[in-house]
Amino acid sequence: GAGVSQSPSNKVTEKGKDVELRCDPISGHTALYWYRQSLGQGLEFLIYFQGNSAPDKSGLPSDRFSAERTGGSVSTLTIQRTQQEDSAVYLCASSFSRAYQETQYFGPGTRLLVL
Amino acid sequence: AQTVTQSQPEMSVQEAETVTLSCTYDTSESDYYLFWYKQPPSRQMILVIRQEAYKQQNATENRFSVNFQKAAKSFSLKISDSQLGDAAMYFCAYRGRVTSGSRLTFGEGTQLTVNP
Repeated sequence: GAGVSQSPSNKVTEKGKDVELRCDPISGHTALYWYRQSLGQGLEFLIYFQGNSAPDKSGLPSDRFSAERTGGSVSTLTIQRTQQEDSAVYLCASSFSRAYQETQYFGPGTRLLVL
Repeated sequence: AQTVTQSQPEMSVQEAETVTLSCTYDTSESDYYLFWYKQPPSRQMILVIRQEAYKQQNATENRFSVNFQKAAKSFSLKISDSQLGDAAMYFCAYRGRVTSGSRLTFGEGTQLTVNP
């Protein structure tokens, strides 16, 4: 596809369950980013991938959060033992390279609601 | 740490008129980029315009232009001839060459309403 895609679009889960969020970046983009958008915290950086490695995981809020990227393409963000404070929109972005001047192109996000 | 501040949580404009959204930032770097993103109800963040700190000329993209004041650390977005489709949340974002690493730092956002 032409843009960044994310699935599912919406996810409702019960507290304590695990969830997986998927991101398909723009073809050919080597850099991939996850951000979280919540009412109280605004837009926060979570993690960044260059190829399949994650040089910057500093934004992950707890060890319940993990992410991987395979084949230099698809990425999965996993939240274990979800809590109500994990409710947010999770946005994925990709860019051609990690250079600071490169524009990050965003997907439509996954809205997560933890009951 | 870099910070980005948008002091206008909400703005409104009449269709066909002009509106300016404000953004200020704090950084000790001299080499950076600034961005304005638009987020409509569909949630998709769309790049509106970008500005390189070393370029003195203000960026323009059709009806969108910026007023970049480097010394004042100000980066406002002007939307001319506002259209109903411009209604959205607008985010100002910063990315420095050295200290930002991989991340964009966003402001709090400004919700723009366009009245017919």
